[in-house]
Amino acid sequence: NAGVMQNPRHLVRRRGQEARLRCSPMKGHSHVYWYRQLPEEGLKFMVYLQKENIIDESGMPKERFSAEFPKEGPSILRIQQVVRGDSAAYFCASSPRGLPYEQYFGPGTRLTVT
Amino acid sequence: GESVGLHLPTLSVQEGDNSIINCAYSNSASDYFIWYKQESGKGPQFIIDIRSNMDKRQGQRVTVLLNKTVKHLSLQIAATQPGDSAVYFCAENTGSGGYNKLIFGAGTRLAVHP
Repeated sequence: NAGVMQNPRHLVRRRGQEARLRCSPMKGHSHVYWYRQLPEEGLKFMVYLQKENIIDESGMPKERFSAEFPKEGPSILRIQQVVRGDSAAYFCASSPRGLPYEQYFGPGTRLTVT
Repeated sequence: GESVGLHLPTLSVQEGDNSIINCAYSNSASDYFIWYKQESGKGPQFIIDIRSNMDKRQGQRVTVLLNKTVKHLSLQIAATQPGDSAVYFCAENTGSGGYNKLIFGAGTRLAVHP
């Protein structure tokens, strides 16, 4: 059973471009969480999604950021018009039932905005 | 000894010694807690968990202690090994809004010296 997969692992974007981060949950998992981690800091919750639904996006900036988890395919975190402050590691975690001890993390995508 | 770095506090220990990593959590209503280990360039990895109706739980070489009175959590690692070198995060499950949500602490870097 493959773990949570994220791609790309490293992404470089110029200011103003769009960044698209993908997360493929573990097989059978219908809950996905996105977190952002700045260097030398802890993980900050961004958004919690179930298939085709956003459950909680309270940690996501109101502008430029969006997330989706379609019925088929990976979950996507989209950042439009990136700025240098968006440079961070973005982790997703998946869970089969939304229970906290069942969150399995992916390896992360490291976004660098130049 | 313990020192405070630019952002993450660092705990330096000798191989074979016991390590104690501390965490203060914020929400007295949190019902569940997890310790994660994060190695450089990787996603967080589950170590051990504890429910709020317990004050101690032991795993293999690790013990978690919970003091709800002062909202304090600690992770004890026995006979610390070089492979234990990583950043350790505590996370609390707030359970607000009718679903589970993990809030991560700031993290502590554990450096194990031979």
